[in-house]
Amino acid sequence: AQTVTQSQPEMSVQEAETVTLSCTYDTSENNYYLFWYKQPPSRQMILVIRQEAYKQQNATENRFSVNFQKAAKSFSLKISDSQLGDTAMYFCAFMKSSGSGYALNFGKGTSLLVTP
Amino acid sequence: EPEVTQTPSHQVTQMGQEVILRCVPISNHLYFYWYRQILGQKVEFLVSFYNNEISEKSEIFDDQFSVERPDGSNFTLKIRSTKLEDSAMYFCASALDGATNEKLFFGSGTQLSVL
Repeated sequence: AQTVTQSQPEMSVQEAETVTLSCTYDTSENNYYLFWYKQPPSRQMILVIRQEAYKQQNATENRFSVNFQKAAKSFSLKISDSQLGDTAMYFCAFMKSSGSGYALNFGKGTSLLVTP
Repeated sequence: EPEVTQTPSHQVTQMGQEVILRCVPISNHLYFYWYRQILGQKVEFLVSFYNNEISEKSEIFDDQFSVERPDGSNFTLKIRSTKLEDSAMYFCASALDGATNEKLFFGSGTQLSVL
């Protein structure tokens, strides 16, 4: 079974600063996908960024980028130029690329607070 | 942008009652999912559905749970006899391609409260 670990329950960053959220995972699979989801107070699940394990290049989406270290099984999220609207829970998630169900396996989340 | 629609947004029920949570996935999507999130905890996978059958289910998805796509547009989750511990936010999701989860969208959730 795959496990996803987010070791930082809470983090805080000042507006315009950069913050990095950590995620590690455990798997014996070689091909898989990794995701970061944002959950604001409305509790909607919003995809932030997605990474295919077979791609060496780190994914980026505007102010959001990842540092994917496959050998270390690490997948951290960097938020640059933090904005007040980035305040939310952030969940790291893993998905096998094989099998029939394609279930997402989530970590416990990191609560990020962006302060003025 | 297309969206996954869930109704109702809040559902309150008595323990032992049956509830049906409804979802309208994005129209051309082929893979459908239910997840739940107990307050303060992580999001947990319940079940995935493709080609009119369950493709995977978790340990949580026991005999009290069932899913159905009755008319080609709705995707429902039924809990036959609710327990207090079923209180959670239930998220429906749909994807165009389940193998890559590209274009996976979540609905805004149904908050189920079992009293």
